[in-house]
Amino acid sequence: GENVEQHPSTLSVQEGDSAVIKCTYSDSASNYFPWYKQELGKRPQLIIDIRSNVGEKKDQRIAVTLNKTAKHFSLHITETQPEDSAVYFCAPDTGRRALTFGSGTRLQVQP
Amino acid sequence: GAGVSQSPSNKVTEKGKDVELRCDPISGHTALYWYRQSLGQGLEFLIYFQGNSAPDKSGLPSDRFSAERTGGSVSTLTIQRTQQEDSAVYLCASSLAGPSYNEQFFGPGTRLTVL
Repeated sequence: GENVEQHPSTLSVQEGDSAVIKCTYSDSASNYFPWYKQELGKRPQLIIDIRSNVGEKKDQRIAVTLNKTAKHFSLHITETQPEDSAVYFCAPDTGRRALTFGSGTRLQVQP
Repeated sequence: GAGVSQSPSNKVTEKGKDVELRCDPISGHTALYWYRQSLGQGLEFLIYFQGNSAPDKSGLPSDRFSAERTGGSVSTLTIQRTQQEDSAVYLCASSLAGPSYNEQFFGPGTRLTVL
């Protein structure tokens, strides 16, 4: 099965700084790489995803970069705001079964 | 349109009792997933339904857990002889097709407390 690791497990930044969360996976057949955000007490929601034929994707202040050779992908958040405070989950997918979610990264943006 | 709904939102039960949790996916979504999330923890995959295919039950933690999906729509997760370690939030999600390239839409969850 897929082994997924996220780093760091917790991250605290000052408002306006950038945050980077890294996800490593083991299955080289993985071809879809989403990131989900879960605010406190709420349900997870997809914020950005990337397919294996693309190296980088950006959507306003968030971006995802993919390194298939090294089997990792990262979430980048620039100009962080307090509302970015949440737990972020990666979920690399091979298409053969349901997603395997990482253990999550708790991001705290200090105002 | 309506999102994924789950009922009940909260369930308190006594150890040893059976519970049933319900999930109504988004209409037209062929894939349905159940996850479990303990306090402050990640999402633990339980079971995955895709269309008429046999479900992927590889995440079910024990034979006390079972799930069915009737008519390709509503799903029920059943936990028999509940134990205290079953206490968690049970999340259901659905997607238009299989997990690849398809956003999973999550329900609000059912918070299960086993006394």
